[in-house]
Amino acid sequence: EVQLVESGGGLVQPGGSLRLSCVASGFTVSGYWMTWVRQAPGKGLEWVANIKPDGSEEYYVDSVKGRFTISRDNAKNSLYLQMNSLRVEDTAVYYCARDPGALRYEAFDIWGQGTMVTVS
Amino acid sequence: IVLTQSPGTLSLSPGERATLSCRASQSVYRSSLAWYQQKPGQAPRLLIFGASSRANGIPDRFSGGGSGTDFTLTISRLEPDDFAVYYCQHYVSSPLTFGGGTKVEIK
Repeated sequence: EVQLVESGGGLVQPGGSLRLSCVASGFTVSGYWMTWVRQAPGKGLEWVANIKPDGSEEYYVDSVKGRFTISRDNAKNSLYLQMNSLRVEDTAVYYCARDPGALRYEAFDIWGQGTMVTVS
Repeated sequence: IVLTQSPGTLSLSPGERATLSCRASQSVYRSSLAWYQQKPGQAPRLLIFGASSRANGIPDRFSGGGSGTDFTLTISRLEPDDFAVYYCQHYVSSPLTFGGGTKVEIK
């Protein structure tokens, strides 16, 4: 079964750090762009960051630039999000998702179940 | 690219037709637009990609249309399982943005 499983969420104080992980099964992440999307309580979806299959390019939404770092370990079939200098407004469910595009972006076809991050 | 969805809430009865709108602040190159469905406590699910292509396993009562800056998602006959929140998203280039969502609720 193709799936993504996130972990690492929890309660952290403002200014603190957390590292989220996302492990893939049923496919190899090395062939795909991978993405983090978040959703604040009762709010809509917000794209956070993505990373190229070989890890050579990464992009971020302006609100997390300089604080969050996306990375991947293709050998472990995993995606990560290092979150530093956390703010109350970073409180959200964080989803990892697969972008099946190779040469260009595509829609996110596989999503994890999400992990909750609370900054308080 | 800023995506604006309307209406914010759509109140309809099962069996009725739902038409959701997504307007982009600039032209969406190659119709790189997707629609997702999200139910409470669940992750989003891909419905439509490329503005009009259904994802695997999506019933044909869901259809997408439009190009340029104006896109629509139509649910031809609402079933009880279709009451949810729907988001459009472009994937032209980073940042990849989502619309604010349309909630389809039971009237």
